[in-house]
Amino acid sequence: DQQVKQNSPSLSVQEGRISILNCDYTNSMFDYFLWYKKYPAEGPTFLISISSIKDKNEDGRFTVFLNKSAKHLSLHIVPSQPGDSAVYFCAASASHTGANSKLTFGKGITLSVRP
Amino acid sequence: NAGVTQTPKFQVLKTGQSMTLQCAQDMNHNSMYWYRQDPGMGLRLIYYSASEGTTDKGEVPNGYNVSRLNKREFSLRLESAAPSQTSVYFCASSGRQGANQPQHFGDGTRLSIL
Repeated sequence: DQQVKQNSPSLSVQEGRISILNCDYTNSMFDYFLWYKKYPAEGPTFLISISSIKDKNEDGRFTVFLNKSAKHLSLHIVPSQPGDSAVYFCAASASHTGANSKLTFGKGITLSVRP
Repeated sequence: NAGVTQTPKFQVLKTGQSMTLQCAQDMNHNSMYWYRQDPGMGLRLIYYSASEGTTDKGEVPNGYNVSRLNKREFSLRLESAAPSQTSVYFCASSGRQGANQPQHFGDGTRLSIL
């Protein structure tokens, strides 16, 4: 049973345009959500996170939106750059349960930004 | 500025051989984790250690053992390797148990079992 779903395996966008990466979750206990970026042959790198008490968090070109009622979050990258081409993982945890911040990951989305 | 260091980076084993994957972090983090990543899959938690002296099973613990040697080091052992354990293994650490802090990952160990 997949608790964090990234239903689109890939996304291709033009340089300078907006990239929107989507993520859905099923576990209502999740209250902390993260996005990781991964290049080939490297480990995942933390990008941005959001707590369930917020609906938006912004960091430079990256913004994460959380819709708790729909159990949906999205990562917006504006403007997209060729260096953003990577695999993006959505992850979630139920931190308020004291469950050691265990993360549940989605399968990832491969983003390709065309020059 | 090492962060999380994993050794080795690559390894090929024969079925039935044993192996220990090493992980060390220099960020004074309390919690450490081992994940595996298979093609087309997200990262799946094998074992974790919330703090020095404690370890717990994750989602896919069968065939593995772990040791939290001290606050810095967390090792993963395959006692009798099987082809199904061919994967990329990632170690991660985070600052505080139960707190909203991101995990920081090493660059992985690519393990092939023939």
